[in-house]
Amino acid sequence: AQKVTQAQTEISVVEKEDVTLDCVYETRDTTYYLFWYKQPPSGELVFLIRRNSFDEQNEISGRYSWNFQKSTSSFNFTITASQVVDSAVYFCALSEANFGNEKLTFGTGTRLTIIP
Amino acid sequence: GAGVSQTPSNKVTEKGKYVELRCDPISGHTALYWYRQSLGQGPEFLIYFQGTGAADDSGLPNDRFFAVRPEGSVSTLKIQRTERGDSAVYLCASSPGGGRPPYNEQFFGPGTRLTVL
Repeated sequence: AQKVTQAQTEISVVEKEDVTLDCVYETRDTTYYLFWYKQPPSGELVFLIRRNSFDEQNEISGRYSWNFQKSTSSFNFTITASQVVDSAVYFCALSEANFGNEKLTFGTGTRLTIIP
Repeated sequence: GAGVSQTPSNKVTEKGKYVELRCDPISGHTALYWYRQSLGQGPEFLIYFQGTGAADDSGLPNDRFFAVRPEGSVSTLKIQRTERGDSAVYLCASSPGGGRPPYNEQFFGPGTRLTVL
């Protein structure tokens, strides 16, 4: 069975600080996909990144970066120079993607508050 | 272009009643998913459609829940004899499908907030 754990329930940082959101996953599959989604106060889930299990390269997109380590089953997300607009709930998710079925297993989310 | 839409945005019903929640996916998307998000939790998978058929309904909590997608586009999630524990936000997502890597991101709708009194 798959499982995603986001141990940080809530984080608050002052604007312009860097912040890292942790994600640890469990799966028996060798092929899987990891995701991060953002859920702002409006409620709609916004896709941020997808990473497949064979690609352990870290990725950077503007102020966002992701660190994937298979050895520790972690897929952490860092926001550099945080801004108030980054305030949201962030979800890490896992998909085993069997025969086109890409159903997602989500963690419980981390509520991030950026204090101006 | 238009994203995934869901109607109604809010639904209040009484315990024991029947409700239908509608999802309009992005045009051309063959894969459609329903999830349920309870307060303070992440979304939980309910059912997956590829075209008209329910390819995976392993997430439906019991036989009071049923979903259809008769023409491979719009989907309706149906809940019979609603219970207070069914109160949650029901999310729909669609993706282009295709079944081959690289797999596609799921585009989520705004959700329907269901409240059972």
